[in-house]
Amino acid sequence: DAKTTQPPSMDCAEGRAANLPCNHSTISGNEYVYWYRQIHSQGPQYIIHGLKNNETNEMASLIITEDRKSSTLILPHATLRDTAVYYCIVRVEGDGNNRKLIWGLGTSLAVNP
Amino acid sequence: NAGVTQTPKFRVLKTGQSMTLLCAQDMNHEYMYWYRQDPGMGLRLIHYSVGEGTTAKGEVPDGYNVSRLKKQNFLLGLESAAPSQTSVYFCASSYAAPGLASGQYFGPGTRLTVL
Repeated sequence: DAKTTQPPSMDCAEGRAANLPCNHSTISGNEYVYWYRQIHSQGPQYIIHGLKNNETNEMASLIITEDRKSSTLILPHATLRDTAVYYCIVRVEGDGNNRKLIWGLGTSLAVNP
Repeated sequence: NAGVTQTPKFRVLKTGQSMTLLCAQDMNHEYMYWYRQDPGMGLRLIHYSVGEGTTAKGEVPDGYNVSRLKKQNFLLGLESAAPSQTSVYFCASSYAAPGLASGQYFGPGTRLTVL
């Protein structure tokens, strides 16, 4: 099962793009990359996921390298409300219906005024 | 849509007391999960369900029981609460199994303190 490596913390200026990296060098060919975030005292929030191609939605963009060993979550214009812990997940245990996401500690992003 | 809701939001128990946490989702999702989150640790899966009438153990199931009598509801029970069960509990749901192309949608959490 793939493991992820994320920096424990990052800072970003309000209005600038926040680029959050994630290394997953042991990812398998059929494993998705998921990103979630958790704002203080709230439940985690699903952001985006991808397999091979870059993905974009109303919240963020996900850039996956061609070898799939790393990815970057991009918040194009960070606001103070984007201050949160961001989780990159590729590790899934089990098979079939009995799959479980394995959560790490994520990156604590601070967006500063 | 309300999404995923949890009741109660806060609870204080004494050691040995029992309680049930209720999770409800209105997205017609098949999969539902109960996690706990403790300081300095990632989310840990307690129990999960792959459909109405089914339950399965996660990483840390001891001391908890669950039931999924209706598709939209997933109940987490503590039969005899212990201080080690002081935590924040999150319920989540998804339309497909983890690891497939489906995100999980979380409730706001229940903060439980066991004295």
